[in-house]
Amino acid sequence: SQKIEQNSEALNIQEGKTATLTCNYTNYSPAYLQWYRQDPGRGPVFLLLIRENEKEKRKERLKVTFDTTLKQSLFHITASQPADSATYLCATIKAAGNKLTFGGGTRVLVKP
Amino acid sequence: EPEVTQTPSHQVTQMGQEVILRCVPISNHLYFYWYRQILGQKVEFLVSFYNNEISEKSEIFDDQFSVERPDGSNFTLKIRSTKLEDSAMYFCASRLETGEDEKLFFGSGTQLSVL
Repeated sequence: SQKIEQNSEALNIQEGKTATLTCNYTNYSPAYLQWYRQDPGRGPVFLLLIRENEKEKRKERLKVTFDTTLKQSLFHITASQPADSATYLCATIKAAGNKLTFGGGTRVLVKP
Repeated sequence: EPEVTQTPSHQVTQMGQEVILRCVPISNHLYFYWYRQILGQKVEFLVSFYNNEISEKSEIFDDQFSVERPDGSNFTLKIRSTKLEDSAMYFCASRLETGEDEKLFFGSGTQLSVL
């Protein structure tokens, strides 16, 4: 069955540094991969989408890469700020599917 | 910005009781979803709904669960006979037709506690 995995260990980072999160998937080839932010007690909020034929996508201080050979996506937060502290979720959908499957999320804590 | 609204924000019920969780998706969206998240665990897919019928469902979504879009604006999740393990945060989500707008918009969730 399809699996999508993120590093469950929290990432503690100093303000101003770059946070890098990893998302790995196995047993399928997603049409695209999405990243969401989730704050405690709240629903996920969409951040970025990257398609299988794209290598990199940027939005303000966020950058996502997608390596279909490694079956991996990297999510970068540059010049991190305490307000970036949250859990970040990756999610994928199969080429012919409708269901968005989430990874377990990585919690990021940016210290001032 | 338009948003998905869910009610109630908290629901406490006794085991064996029926609950209905309500959602108002974004008005021009066509795909509707229910997800749940048990405390400390991942966001899990339950069901997707399109064109007035279920398009996909997970193993979690058994005969105790049902969904309805009764009036063109509301989207409901019913659990017929709640179990302790149904305690979780339930999120409704919606999205526009396929294409550039594949992103999901989530509501703030209903925290369901089964006692």
